[in-house]
Amino acid sequence: GDSVTQMEGPVTLSEEAFLTINCTYTATGYPSLFWYVQYPGEGLQLLLKATKADDKGSNKGFEATYRKETTSFHLEKGSVQVSDSAVYFCALSSWAGTALIFGKGTTLSVSS
Amino acid sequence: EADIYQTPRYLVIGTGKKITLECSQTMGHDKMYWYQQDPGMELHLIHYSYGVNSTEKGDLSSESTVSRIRTEHFPLTLESARPSHTSQYLCASSESGDTNSPLHFGNGTRLTVT
Repeated sequence: GDSVTQMEGPVTLSEEAFLTINCTYTATGYPSLFWYVQYPGEGLQLLLKATKADDKGSNKGFEATYRKETTSFHLEKGSVQVSDSAVYFCALSSWAGTALIFGKGTTLSVSS
Repeated sequence: EADIYQTPRYLVIGTGKKITLECSQTMGHDKMYWYQQDPGMELHLIHYSYGVNSTEKGDLSSESTVSRIRTEHFPLTLESARPSHTSQYLCASSESGDTNSPLHFGNGTRLTVT
């Protein structure tokens, strides 16, 4: 069945460092891909999405490119801030799916 | 700003009690979902609904039940709470008919059963 695999955390960075959180997927057909973020004490919020191969989603300085050849959707940010500390979830929505399929989440901690 | 509301935010209750977690959305979305989030932050789908009078069980077996009598309301009930039910419960909704539609999440209910 469809699945999402994320790099395990926690990821600990200093402010202004470069961030990469790896995400790979397994799916039949042509899924849409998403990154969600969960700040402490809150629900998940959509960060960005891509609906077809080679699409790049971007928001708040974060980017991810839908790579069909490597079945990947890695999240990147050039310069992280303390306020980016949160849990990040990669997810996919397949055409036959019931609901989004989420990865296990990656905790990011940024220190000043 | 959340358009999907969950109450209570926190609940501590004794074993054997009946509880209902409330979830309401003001966006007119047909699809609604309940996820259980474990301490490791992983999300598990426990119930979903495609519209009024439609409810289905999700991927993770759960002793809870849900109802969908009104579009905007999707409560989750535990008839007899147990310590194993201690978890965070997240409600979400999305527009129907489009698998690209993002989920909108509430802020969750953190349940502790003693």
